Amino acid sequence: GDSVTQMEGPVTLSEEAFLTINCTYTATGYPSLFWYVQYPGEGLQLLLKATKADDKGSNKGFEATYRKETTSFHLEKGSVQVSDSAVYFCALPVFSGGYNKLIFGAGTRLAVHP
Amino acid sequence: EAGVTQSPTHLIKTRGQQATLRCSPISGHTSVYWYQQALGLGLQFLLWYDEGEERNRGNFPPRFSGRQFPNYSSELNVNALELEDSALYLCASSFYTSSNTGELFFGEGSRLTVL
Repeated sequence: GDSVTQMEGPVTLSEEAFLTINCTYTATGYPSLFWYVQYPGEGLQLLLKATKADDKGSNKGFEATYRKETTSFHLEKGSVQVSDSAVYFCALPVFSGGYNKLIFGAGTRLAVHP
Repeated sequence: EAGVTQSPTHLIKTRGQQATLRCSPISGHTSVYWYQQALGLGLQFLLWYDEGEERNRGNFPPRFSGRQFPNYSSELNVNALELEDSALYLCASSFYTSSNTGELFFGEGSRLTVL
């Protein structure tokens, strides 16, 4: 069945370091792909998305490219800030028999230190 | 425009009691989703309502139930509470169409603590 696999955390970085959080997926067809972020004590917010293969989603300095060859959607940022400390979730919509839901990876906690 | 709102923010119950959580979707959204986020774990899909009907449910026992009202707001009920039901319950909404890309808009959650 459809699934999302994320790299395990926590990821601990110093400010201005380069960030990569890996995400791979298994899906039927070519669904949209999402990265959501959850800041401490809050709900989830959409960070970025890509709706078709080879699309690059970007927001707040984060980027992710939808790569169908490797079934991946890795999240990257060139220079992280303390304010980026949060849990990041890769997500995939599943449409089956008229049903519609979003499935999430396990989440990767990022801690950025000054 | 108001986002997804959930109430209460925090709820403390004891084992065996019932909990009711509420969610108001973004205006115009007809679909409401409920997810459970237990401490240290990812999001587990609970329920999906659209146009007043339960469309899909995750792998949770029947004591987790809910409903969607004519104004598209939703209620999640958890009966016979167990300690492991302690979690953050997140509600999300979307405008469901056949061309929907699957993006969801989340509320800030209701934290349920079972003692």
